[in-house]
Amino acid sequence: KAGVTQTPRYLIKTRGQQVTLSCSPISGHRSVSWYQQTPGQGLQFLFEYFSETQRNKGNFPGRFSGRQFSNSRSEMNVSTLELGDSALYLCASTFLGLAGGLKSYNEQFFGPGTRLTVL
Amino acid sequence: GDSVTQMEGPVTLSEEAFLTINCTYTATGYPSLFWYVQYPGEGLQLLLKATKADDKGSNKGFEATYRKETTSFHLEKGSVQVSDSAVYFCALSQKAAQGGSEKLVFGKGTKLTVNP
Repeated sequence: KAGVTQTPRYLIKTRGQQVTLSCSPISGHRSVSWYQQTPGQGLQFLFEYFSETQRNKGNFPGRFSGRQFSNSRSEMNVSTLELGDSALYLCASTFLGLAGGLKSYNEQFFGPGTRLTVL
Repeated sequence: GDSVTQMEGPVTLSEEAFLTINCTYTATGYPSLFWYVQYPGEGLQLLLKATKADDKGSNKGFEATYRKETTSFHLEKGSVQVSDSAVYFCALSQKAAQGGSEKLVFGKGTKLTVNP
């Protein structure tokens, strides 16, 4: 089974631009979460999508947004880029079956990330 | 809010040395605890997990025990190899109210280098 794929792997943008990152979850996985990794702040949760709905959101400004499509693929968008947005953006997919709410834990499988550099 | 504190390193060891990476957490309720590993240029891989107090997670020679009384989840390995060189993250998660995917809260990461 193919793993989580993220495109593009590397991206260079300039301040003020906007960017869209894509994540394709493992086949059958219905939840996608996004994380930002920086040397200073470490790994921080951005948001989580399930069935095309955002169900959980981290403490990031409104410039960070996302969406999920009916095939569970997800995109995240960052508008008006700032130098501080330079980071590795990781997405993680999770299988949530019909009985997902009864499970004690649903493992998140991470993709390789998209390295965004803002100049 | 919930938080995870782990020794930041870097940690440099010789092959076959004993490894301990300390991790403590602050959380309400009963979180699940994890260790993730990140190899250069790659995403995160789940190394081991424990979902309740006194559980021991183990994988590839690594072990960690969920200690509720000390709110700790220290990672140990008896004999490290060069191939263990990576960044290790301690993390916790709380079950989301709607029963969906839990949000992971990570420590800062510990870079481990193992020399031959």
